Amino acid sequence: KNQVEQSPQSLIILEGKNCTLQCNYTVSPFSNLRWYKQDTGRGPVSLTIMTFSENTKSNGRYTATLDADTKQSSLHITASQLSDSASYICVVSLNTGGFKTIFGAGTRLFVKA
Amino acid sequence: GAGVSQSPRYKVAKRGQDVALRCDPISGHVSLFWYQQALGQGPEFLTYFQNEAQLDKSGLPSDRFFAERPEGSVSTLKIQRTQQEDSAVYLCASSFGATGEAYGYTFGSGTRLTVV
Repeated sequence: KNQVEQSPQSLIILEGKNCTLQCNYTVSPFSNLRWYKQDTGRGPVSLTIMTFSENTKSNGRYTATLDADTKQSSLHITASQLSDSASYICVVSLNTGGFKTIFGAGTRLFVKA
Repeated sequence: GAGVSQSPRYKVAKRGQDVALRCDPISGHVSLFWYQQALGQGPEFLTYFQNEAQLDKSGLPSDRFFAERPEGSVSTLKIQRTQQEDSAVYLCASSFGATGEAYGYTFGSGTRLTVV
């Protein structure tokens, strides 16, 4: 069964600290993996996208890694800011020539002053 | 438009009432998706349009759910005889490409439906 599992479910950190969010998937055939940030009451916004051959991608203070062998990805946030408080969703697309995507349940991040 | 626009932002419906949710995708975007997001969960796929053609509706939970995109731009998700389990945020996303793989998806802010 195609699944995307994220951990932790929620996380509280102090402003300025770093954190790492995890994503494990059992999706096949794999096409690409995206990390989205979803602010409360808003739609998800794409942070990074990685294909099978890419194992790291950065977007400002966000760095995503991908290990296609172990089917794991992580999102590392450096020097967190209060505005980083949001849900971070891992999304894996299937390589079926179409549009099939599997969303994780997300990690809810709270950054406190 | 500049982004994907959804309306209404909030809808409260009495159980049994019919509702219609609207999505205005980014102009020129070929692909349009509807997702259902329960509280604390990730979005779950409902249906997909490529222009006016509904290519996949496998995620629609029951025959009470119906979606259309008659002119290949604006889309409407209709839910008949709403039930309490229909309460969720309904997200619309659009993409320039036919599959969204190369260009990614742009999401709207969603419609929060509460059935009482």
